[in-house]
Amino acid sequence: ILNVEQSPQSLHVQEGDSTNFTCSFPSSNFYALHWYRWETAKSPEALFVMTLNGDEKKKGRISATLNTKEGYSYLYIKGSQPEDSATYLCAPTGTASKLTFGTGTRLQVTL
Amino acid sequence: EAQVTQNPRYLITVTGKKLTVTCSQNMNHEYMSWYRQDPGLGLRQIYYSMNVEVTDKGDVPEGYKVSRKEKRNFPLILESPSPNQTSLYFCASSLSFGTGGRPDEAFFGQGTRLTVV
Repeated sequence: ILNVEQSPQSLHVQEGDSTNFTCSFPSSNFYALHWYRWETAKSPEALFVMTLNGDEKKKGRISATLNTKEGYSYLYIKGSQPEDSATYLCAPTGTASKLTFGTGTRLQVTL
Repeated sequence: EAQVTQNPRYLITVTGKKLTVTCSQNMNHEYMSWYRQDPGLGLRQIYYSMNVEVTDKGDVPEGYKVSRKEKRNFPLILESPSPNQTSLYFCASSLSFGTGGRPDEAFFGQGTRLTVV
């Protein structure tokens, strides 16, 4: 079982603030890194799937970077909005062909 | 509409009474899996299936069974539910998975909240 750590566990920001969180994972046997957004009472939805060291992905105000050599990924949200409130999950996959989810970072954006 | 459909959404049952949670996807995905979500823990994989008739254990398979007789369906069976199986369950599918294939994103069902008393 991969050891996946996400930090911080929770985060409370004001509307308009930019924020970022971290996903750490073992760098050996790495294949891909997934980020999911999970709103309360809904299902997790994919944000990004990243594979290459140095990869950067962007979707609107959300972006992510990947460092496979040191085993971490950052997720950035620029100008947070209340609708960004959710739990953000990362999940690396290695040669075992399955996702291993972190416990997530719970983001709350207030007006 | 492309989707993963789980049923039921909510279920309260008694210890020992066999139950099945259904999962169906309409995207012709090869890979399907079941997860459970418990407070303070990440989504933990119960079972997965790489294709029809190919299933394998995830991280927490004890007390569960699955089958994959058709590509679209992947039911989760609890032969004799116990209170420690009270949890939020998610089914997920993806086009393909693992090394040698494209690491496709997973699509999740709406979740099934199971309570075993």
